Amino acid sequence: GAVVSQHPSWVICKSGTSVKIECRSLDFQATTMFWYRQFPKQSLMLMATSNEGSKATYEQGVEKDKFLINHASLTLSTLTVTSAHPEDSSFYICSASGDSYNEQFFGPGTRLTVL
Amino acid sequence: AQKITQTQPGMFVQEKEAVTLDCTYDTSDPSYGLFWYKQPSSGEMIFLIYQGSYDQQNATEGRYSLNFQKARKSANLVISASQLGDSAMYFCAIGAGGTSYGKLTFGQGTILTVHP
Repeated sequence: GAVVSQHPSWVICKSGTSVKIECRSLDFQATTMFWYRQFPKQSLMLMATSNEGSKATYEQGVEKDKFLINHASLTLSTLTVTSAHPEDSSFYICSASGDSYNEQFFGPGTRLTVL
Repeated sequence: AQKITQTQPGMFVQEKEAVTLDCTYDTSDPSYGLFWYKQPSSGEMIFLIYQGSYDQQNATEGRYSLNFQKARKSANLVISASQLGDSAMYFCAIGAGGTSYGKLTFGQGTILTVHP
């Protein structure tokens, strides 16, 4: 299958700082990228859908001003957690989709810890 | 809106035996896809198998098969000849067609433990 990378794989930051997470599709052009959040022992919850060159669509209850998503090219989407707080500590996973909706490839995830 | 229900928080199976992980779904969209993913302790999501709502035959991928019963809205995963490396969290997910291609709703997951 196609390869999706995320960087960094883990990050520890102080409360109040901002953290940027990158999601890259390495060998295909991702029309759409998705950002999920997963708390320990829980399911993945979709945060937002991003399409290249347009604004992201956020799920209900997700603060768009706190979780900034930029999908600048067909191979790169970034999630910035602004003014992070301990409750934002979680596992963030991106996925990328091509033209067929039965193809969705996940990145390895980024573990964020906010102290 | 889509919904996935996985009623088995944990399952145990003996190595080399088969195991079925349950998944039921609800959607009003006539076109949808059902997915199963494996998540080992490392956290990565590994795609296992896909079933389209209009597919006539049950999907199979190696040791994985999907028992798709559309009328009952169930999409159970069957793993044959379990291996120790199959121990992981398993998620069932649904994606609806239309403009939100690929947007997935996940179930709560089932932790599978394979005993030697």
